[in-house]
Amino acid sequence: NAGVMQNPRHLVRRRGQEARLRCSPMKGHSHVYWYRQLPEEGLKFMVYLQKENIIDESGMPKERFSAEFPKEGPSILRIQQVVRGDSAAYFCASSPPGTSEYNEQFFGPGTRLTVL
Amino acid sequence: KQEVTQIPAALSVPEGENLVLNCSFTDSAIYNLQWFRQDPGKGLTSLLLIQSSQREQTSGRLNASLDKSSGRSTLYIAASQPGDSATYLCAVRPGFQKLVFGTGTRLLVSP
Repeated sequence: NAGVMQNPRHLVRRRGQEARLRCSPMKGHSHVYWYRQLPEEGLKFMVYLQKENIIDESGMPKERFSAEFPKEGPSILRIQQVVRGDSAAYFCASSPPGTSEYNEQFFGPGTRLTVL
Repeated sequence: KQEVTQIPAALSVPEGENLVLNCSFTDSAIYNLQWFRQDPGKGLTSLLLIQSSQREQTSGRLNASLDKSSGRSTLYIAASQPGDSATYLCAVRPGFQKLVFGTGTRLLVSP
């Protein structure tokens, strides 16, 4: 059973370009979470999605960032018009269906975004 | 707003020592608390998860305790090894959704 997959593992963009980060949850998982880790900081929650629904986006910057989790395919975190401050490691996690307090989040290896 | 603090920020010990990493959180209303390990440039490896109704969890040389009422958790590592060198992250789950992370303790175990 493969774990959470993220690609690309490393992404380099120039200022003003778009970045698309992909996350495939573990098999059978229908909840996806995105976290961002800025250099020398802890992980910060960005968004929580279920299939075709954004449940909590309280940690998402108001502009340029969007996320989706379509019925088919991976979850996508999209950053438009990237700036140097977007350089960070972006981690995806997934958990099984349901809202049990016992549901554990499993993390992917992360995508390291560098903005030149 | 839930805040998680980890002390110390960095720790350097010789091989073989027993050590304790500390985590504190401001709101005791949590579902669970989890300890992770992160190696440089890598993802997160879950070490131990303690449900709010539990007091401790053990895995091999690791033991984590939880005192929810005081907002504290400790991760105890016995007989440390150079391979234990990594950043250790504590995270609490205040609801069904997100985890709130501390900034981590960077551990270096010297041979």
